[in-house]
Amino acid sequence: RKEVEQDPGPFNVPEGATVAFNCTYSNSASQSFFWYRQDCRKEPKLLMSVYSSGNEDGRFTAQLNRASQYISLLIRDSKLSDSATYLCVVNRDDYKLSFGAGTTVTVRA
Amino acid sequence: GAVVSQHPSWVICKSGTSVKIECRSLDFQATTMFWYRQFPKQSLMLMATSNEGSKATYEQGVEKDKFLINHASLTLSTLTVTSAHPEDSSFYICSAPKEANEQFFGPGTRLTVL
Repeated sequence: RKEVEQDPGPFNVPEGATVAFNCTYSNSASQSFFWYRQDCRKEPKLLMSVYSSGNEDGRFTAQLNRASQYISLLIRDSKLSDSATYLCVVNRDDYKLSFGAGTTVTVRA
Repeated sequence: GAVVSQHPSWVICKSGTSVKIECRSLDFQATTMFWYRQFPKQSLMLMATSNEGSKATYEQGVEKDKFLINHASLTLSTLTVTSAHPEDSSFYICSAPKEANEQFFGPGTRLTVL
């Protein structure tokens, strides 16, 4: 079983729409959770950390369900610039990270 | 601006040659750096942890004699792919933790082995 599993998508949405997707992780001992964004042929960049109580950063909302080992990301009022692959990332130990394969989002005009 | 750099950004080489990739932390010291590999449409896979002043630790299934890692200083780690073959063609990315819980990634090196 993969450490982090994501729906690969793609999610094709019009500008202004809301899009949500999630991932599951297998290691119940994981303590830190993140969403990274990766553009084509570029390095991943941190979008936001995910906290137990859920957190919001502008149009992005992340939720964590430890009991179900499930993390979600919701993007409101999608912009063309939100088109990217979103990586669900979970720490293993110390700074070691496990990455999901990514969910591709395409926002169309 | 970038806090972690990698060089080269892309390289094409013949099968059997060795390729060295450098990862530098630009404005901070990193006693630990990480090397990842990403094949098309797949997730980043951690290959090894580079430790300044000591041996690298490798993930299961990664050949340490094939992927040589040297962490020569607090700002530089190098990954050498020895006797590269076409199946080693991939996107290699390094990362370094700068602050608690945040890692910064290099821009990646795209290796193509002919």
